[in-house]
Amino acid sequence: DTGVSQNPRHKITKRGQNVTFRCDPISEHNRLYWYRQTLGQGPEFLTYFQNEAQLEKSRLLSDRFSAERPKGSFSTLEIQRTEQGDSAMYLCASSLSGTNEQFFGPGTRLTVL
Amino acid sequence: GENVEQHPSTLSVQEGDSAVIKCTYSDSASNYFPWYKQELGKRPQLIIDIRSNVGEKKDQRIAVTLNKTAKHFSLHITETQPEDSAVYFCAASISSGGYQKVTFGTGTKLQVIP
Repeated sequence: DTGVSQNPRHKITKRGQNVTFRCDPISEHNRLYWYRQTLGQGPEFLTYFQNEAQLEKSRLLSDRFSAERPKGSFSTLEIQRTEQGDSAMYLCASSLSGTNEQFFGPGTRLTVL
Repeated sequence: GENVEQHPSTLSVQEGDSAVIKCTYSDSASNYFPWYKQELGKRPQLIIDIRSNVGEKKDQRIAVTLNKTAKHFSLHITETQPEDSAVYFCAASISSGGYQKVTFGTGTKLQVIP
């Protein structure tokens, strides 16, 4: 499969625990995005990387959230001290410079108990 | 920031009928308008898009229209089929720092009744 992949697909955790998600973009794509999607809503932008540089972060991304893309390939999204309000689908997307289309991964569904 | 409103939130049509989904946006600088289809439990997938310098675009049974003056755009699906049943998201996108910053609508759940 040459599309965007995300792991894990599902994560259940207890409030206060830390979680980390991984996104592998399409191999030649230099742009990577993280979104959060809650039930009945469209994806909401969280952050954007061009290669390894994190160029934009949404105000939705509190201090408990951190994202990295150390070698400009895969990316990780970490949530520290999870809260019930963090329960959502976390989607990753990638694109190629000079093109508009963003290709989405299958998402990681987080449930915080 | 950009705000995208989408209507209706749910839409039921008989197989073979047409479906229309409407969206409005707030930022006149938006210049790219993609539409995504998301089937239950699956990833959003781009079905059609339109740039701000074009008023209409068609791809087989799907068409999108854009009215820049009124800041609204619509998705039209003709001859609907059961496999068209899904949630559809409109989006408006602004060039920001060299990339397209995308704001999504809240989605329309389309049900095509056989």
